[in-house]
Amino acid sequence: GESVGLHLPTLSVQEGDNSIINCAYSNSASDYFIWYKQESGKGPQFIIDIRSNMDKRQGQRVTVLLNKTVKHLSLQIAATQPGDSAVYFCAAAYQGAQKLVFGQGTRLTINP
Amino acid sequence: GAVVSQHPSWVICKSGTSVKIECRSLDFQATTMFWYRQFPKQSLMLMATSNEGSKATYEQGVEKDKFLINHASLTLSTLTVTSAHPEDSSFYICSARMGTNTDTQYFGPGTRLTVL
Repeated sequence: GESVGLHLPTLSVQEGDNSIINCAYSNSASDYFIWYKQESGKGPQFIIDIRSNMDKRQGQRVTVLLNKTVKHLSLQIAATQPGDSAVYFCAAAYQGAQKLVFGQGTRLTINP
Repeated sequence: GAVVSQHPSWVICKSGTSVKIECRSLDFQATTMFWYRQFPKQSLMLMATSNEGSKATYEQGVEKDKFLINHASLTLSTLTVTSAHPEDSSFYICSARMGTNTDTQYFGPGTRLTVL
């Protein structure tokens, strides 16, 4: 099976700084990873994903890094804004499993 | 694109009644839909995987006779919580996968169920 864990349950950053949220997974067969953002009372919103044949992928203000050697991935948010305040979940899947396994989430708080 | 809706967004019911929650993919066909529940300040827990036209696959510990899932079309799945009790109060979220060649799941906005 797979288990996914986040390193820190909470993270506070200053507005304008970069944020880094970390995640670890256990199953070396996992080949797909995805980050979601969840605001209070809402469903998770897709941010960015990455497959195991890549080690980096960039989106708008976000970058996901994958280190398969240590089974670790991170989400970097550049120039953090108040609207980035939310809980961030990483999730992993392995080929043919259909389902995603979610980590526990990191609550990101932006300080003015 | 990839919009998923849920209805209702919240519901309050009396203990012993049944509640139906709908999940729709609005702009794509979803061969697979998933149902999750989420307790306050916790992560998402997968309840069941639903493929169009076939029986749902339930996760260990989820009572299939209590949480009835129907995936009658490529754009609609329903979750019925039968004989609801206060401990069933939770945030229920569905997701849909676009096609079979992707693992990306797009989530609905969730349904807050409160059982009195």
